[in-house]
Amino acid sequence: EAGVTQSPTHLIKTRGQQATLRCSPISGHTSVYWYQQALGLGLQFLLWYDEGEERNRGNFPPRFSGRQFPNYSSELNVNALELEDSALYLCASSLAGFTRSTEAFFGQGTRLTVV
Amino acid sequence: GESVGLHLPTLSVQEGDNSIINCAYSNSASDYFIWYKQESGKGPQFIIDIRSNMDKRQGQRVTVLLNKTVKHLSLQIAATQPGDSAVYFCAEKENYGGSQGNLIFGKGTKLSVKP
Repeated sequence: EAGVTQSPTHLIKTRGQQATLRCSPISGHTSVYWYQQALGLGLQFLLWYDEGEERNRGNFPPRFSGRQFPNYSSELNVNALELEDSALYLCASSLAGFTRSTEAFFGQGTRLTVV
Repeated sequence: GESVGLHLPTLSVQEGDNSIINCAYSNSASDYFIWYKQESGKGPQFIIDIRSNMDKRQGQRVTVLLNKTVKHLSLQIAATQPGDSAVYFCAEKENYGGSQGNLIFGKGTKLSVKP
C-alpha cells in the first residue's frame, strides 16, 4: 500500500512568489494535516482538512492556505513568500480526525527554499 | 502556540544503554499522545502511542510512561542501538470537536548513540 506522497520533493522560489505543495493521503484516509518544520526546529501545525473542509488552523498568517479535493488529496498554498517561509513542509494523513486510537502517517515532505 | 515541550534538547548515550526522553505538556484535556522518530531527511515515523486512561504502554524495546498529575510523558528505549539515533518528538492530540483533533508537537530531542 502506498504511503503519504508529497510533491515536489524540493521547491525553490523567489521572495514574493507563490508556492503550491501537494499531498496524497493513504487510501481510505479522509484527514490531511500540514506542518511546517523550520531547520532544526519542531513541527508547527498549519492546517487540518477532513472531508473537504478546513477543521482547524494553526497560528499562521492568511497567506498560508489550502484545500482538500474530493479524492482527499490536498494542496498547501503559500502566497507572497518570505525568506522565513523556507522550511520542510510535512503532510500527514489519518482516518477521520484523529480519534484517540488513530495513527497519523507522514510523507517525506517538501523542502521549500525561498531566495 | 506550542503546548508541548521537551526538557532536554540533546541526549547522548552509549550503545547498549537505556535511553529516556522526557516531554512536558500543558493541556490537561489532551487524551492521546504519540512519540515520533524522525531520521535525517525523512518524515516522522510513529513509534508508540498512549491514551490518557493508561499510565504505561510497552512496545518492542520502547516504553511510554504518562504521568497526568504532573503532565509529563517519557519514552524509554531499551538497549539503545546506533539505528535509534534520530530526533524524537512527543505530540499531543488537541481536541477540537468531540474526540477529534490535530496533533501538536514539541520541539524534539536529538538522540545520539555512541558505539
